Amino acid sequence: DAGITQSPRHKVTETGTPVTLRCHQTENHRYMYWYRQDPGHGLRLIHYSYGVKDTDKGEVSDGYSVSRSKTEDFLLTLESATSSQTSVYFCAVGRTGTGFSYNEQFFGPGTRLTVL
Amino acid sequence: AQKITQTQPGMFVQEKEAVTLDCTYDTSDQSYGLFWYKQPSSGEMIFLIYQGSYDEQNATEGRYSLNFQKARKSANLVISASQLGDSAMYFCAIGPLGGFKTIFGAGTRLFVKA
Repeated sequence: DAGITQSPRHKVTETGTPVTLRCHQTENHRYMYWYRQDPGHGLRLIHYSYGVKDTDKGEVSDGYSVSRSKTEDFLLTLESATSSQTSVYFCAVGRTGTGFSYNEQFFGPGTRLTVL
Repeated sequence: AQKITQTQPGMFVQEKEAVTLDCTYDTSDQSYGLFWYKQPSSGEMIFLIYQGSYDEQNATEGRYSLNFQKARKSANLVISASQLGDSAMYFCAIGPLGGFKTIFGAGTRLFVKA
């Protein structure tokens, strides 16, 4: 499972409040990702990171920011949560190198976020 | 730009039979990878199989195989000898080799009947 944990696993918050989700990995992988999953859309990439302090936007990045100050942690922040950000959020790490196909991604257990 | 299309929202298969889940893709990249993931009702995403665009042979992993037809831009997942535990949502995905932006399809829900 690539040693990926996400916290919190469930969160209910109110519109307009800031929310931070944490992804933690124990295997020192360079690449990390944040996705959201909504019915009918599969998974959509929010942001990704290719190293400490190196991040870039995905296809649905509006309203989200990320930070990666350590290899093992990738934080996703909703500056001012909206109801449209109610979703399940998945963190993933990209496992590369000997024994892995190129950029295979392994996922954390997910965080269910509800914005009221 | 990349796009994944999974045209089967739901599929039924009898236990012990084989089933094919369809995936077609569109990409402007010359080099890319195709992936399949399984999501059981418990919610976790499980990596199943990978096919590189330059791989000449179809990928296989145990009971999973990928029927890759590059000219038709299809990457269908074949599950042999279906088991009840195969009941899940299955996602096809594409990503550029050397890149990071993986695109997922909307998924196919598979139901295995006893």
